[in-house]
Amino acid sequence: EPEVTQTPSHQVTQMGQEVILRCVPISNHLYFYWYRQILGQKVEFLVSFYNNEISEKSEIFDDQFSVERPDGSNFTLKIRSTKLEDSAMYFCASSGGAGGASSYEQYFGPGTRLTVT
Amino acid sequence: AQSVTQLGSHVSVSEGALVLLRCNYSSSVPPYLFWYVQYPNQGLQLLLKYTTGATLVKGINGFEAEFKKSETSFHLTKPSAHMSDAAEYFCAVSVREAGTALIFGKGTTLSVSS
Repeated sequence: EPEVTQTPSHQVTQMGQEVILRCVPISNHLYFYWYRQILGQKVEFLVSFYNNEISEKSEIFDDQFSVERPDGSNFTLKIRSTKLEDSAMYFCASSGGAGGASSYEQYFGPGTRLTVT
Repeated sequence: AQSVTQLGSHVSVSEGALVLLRCNYSSSVPPYLFWYVQYPNQGLQLLLKYTTGATLVKGINGFEAEFKKSETSFHLTKPSAHMSDAAEYFCAVSVREAGTALIFGKGTTLSVSS
């Protein structure tokens, strides 16, 4: 069964460093997303991406964040200068684009736990 | 704007008992509604969804949910709990447009005792 994969599973970085979180969405999906979950809190939307551009973003997704689809399979989230409050689980998700119900079903990866020290 | 409220951050049931996890939503437009389950150290798995049509929807692992527009609710039920159902459950809402954000509730942790 196709699945979304994410690497690394755990990333530890120092405050002020840049990090890149990587995701491989399901191969025939057209919409890609990033969410985060701070420990003990709810899952929050960061950004959605379609046709090589951002289609929607939340207030959390400020200038220190960027997304990219560098090739036909990977989807990345970059945090330019990490802060302590960026520590969270980051989930990548993807959904289909052929229309119908599959366009709305978002499939999530296992997450990357980012720890900023 | 959309929002989701999950009543009860923690629900405990005995094995074989009815499971009822409550979800109320707020949406200015007709919503799509979802339930996701998260097992420890894993990602979010889609349990079931309501888009259009039948208001009682069935999902995986014997779960079902009923969309009640008049009550703005989408409660999740399972007739008989199993130990393997212990997990965190999230209700989510979105607008009826592809590629839009899912807005999640805070989650309900389900514990099942033998």
